[in-house]
Amino acid sequence: DQQVKQNSPSLSVQEGRISILNCDYTNSMFDYFLWYKKYPAEGPTFLISISSIKDKNEDGRFTVFLNKSAKHLSLHIVPSQPGDSAVYFCAASTLPGAGSYQLTFGKGTKLSVIP
Amino acid sequence: DTGVSQDPRHKITKRGQNVTFRCDPISEHNRLYWYRQTLGQGPEFLTYFQNEAQLEKSRLLSDRFSAERPKGSFSTLEIQRTEQGDSAMYLCASSLAQDRYGYTFGSGTRLTVV
Repeated sequence: DQQVKQNSPSLSVQEGRISILNCDYTNSMFDYFLWYKKYPAEGPTFLISISSIKDKNEDGRFTVFLNKSAKHLSLHIVPSQPGDSAVYFCAASTLPGAGSYQLTFGKGTKLSVIP
Repeated sequence: DTGVSQDPRHKITKRGQNVTFRCDPISEHNRLYWYRQTLGQGPEFLTYFQNEAQLEKSRLLSDRFSAERPKGSFSTLEIQRTEQGDSAMYLCASSLAQDRYGYTFGSGTRLTVV
């Protein structure tokens, strides 16, 4: 059973416009959420994260929003650039006391930014 | 230090053979993780080391899989009696103890079992 779901396998956006990537989760024990970006033939690269005590975190062109009641988070990229074209993975982790350091990943969304 | 290094980048093996992959983490990172990614899926956790101690293993890590991290530096992941279902990208990542989520991933080893 997928605990982290990215229901859109792909997304195409015009350069300069906003890209919105969505992620839903089912495990209420998740307390920390991350986004990773992956280019072909490379490992995932950490992009931005958010703790469950916050509802927004911003880093330059990237903003992550968390809606705990809906178990939903989203990544906004503004403005989108062709170099942002990659696969984006949403990931989640449980509370520190649970002793687990593993990340649970979604299946990814392939973003294509069209020049 | 240029990041997490994995060797080999690609491995093609016949079903039933044993394979071993190596991961060299960032030198000051004491935590090391192995993940597996199959086509169309996100990375799936396999196992985690803090220094030389293997502290967590996924149920995905069957008895044909074994991982070691002697002396708390590099790590190896061995798959015995490979099966076609083992074909995947095997990713290694490392982090500092206090940087719980600051994983740095390597570029992975792509295994193809024929």
